[in-house]
Amino acid sequence: AAGVIQSPRHLIKEKRETATLKCYPIPRHDTVYWYQQGPGQDPQFLISFYEKMQSDKGSIPDRFSAQQFSDYHSELNMSSLELGDSALYFCASSHPLAGGADTQYFGPGTRLTVL
Amino acid sequence: EDQVTQSPEALRLQEGESSSLNCSYTVSGLRGLFWYRQDPGKGPEFLFTLYSAGEEKEKERLKATLTKKESFLHITAPKPEDSATYLCAVQASGGADGLTFGKGTHLIIQP
Repeated sequence: AAGVIQSPRHLIKEKRETATLKCYPIPRHDTVYWYQQGPGQDPQFLISFYEKMQSDKGSIPDRFSAQQFSDYHSELNMSSLELGDSALYFCASSHPLAGGADTQYFGPGTRLTVL
Repeated sequence: EDQVTQSPEALRLQEGESSSLNCSYTVSGLRGLFWYRQDPGKGPEFLFTLYSAGEEKEKERLKATLTKKESFLHITAPKPEDSATYLCAVQASGGADGLTFGKGTHLIIQP
């Protein structure tokens, strides 16, 4: 079965640079979520999009922005990178399920290293 | 604020030795409770979704149960390939999308 695709899988940047992470959801999934997982930490919710509109916002820094495009793929843009931004970034996708919670399926992640 | 506490933090079992992992949660209104398995450096792999107290779901050697305050992940006769970190997460009702995760239980199954 098709899974969530993330690119790139690894990214190395210098402090103060910018980075763009891409996410391609499972076909027919219309909601996309972004999470950040620091070393030894649990995933922290950043932001989500439903039908190309921002749906919910978590602990996303002001330096980060995201959007969902007409083909439902999403991009996370990160500017003025800091050492503390080094982490695994996961994208997840889901499809609305009437009357219940939407199960989120996670991608393989992008490992961002800021030097 | 939603909170998820998992115990134990780490668990080492012999192959075939059954056990249970605990997930205690505090949420204003539960929309769903999720169990994931995560291998090092990889994305969380979905295992189960539970919606209401009394619900149980089973898959191979794993069985998840839910009460109003906690969930258990029972592992029966585990094998070394079951070694991973098991994450519990909740999604609150009221329009919130993001999952609140626990710190996970790091499970090691020794041959």
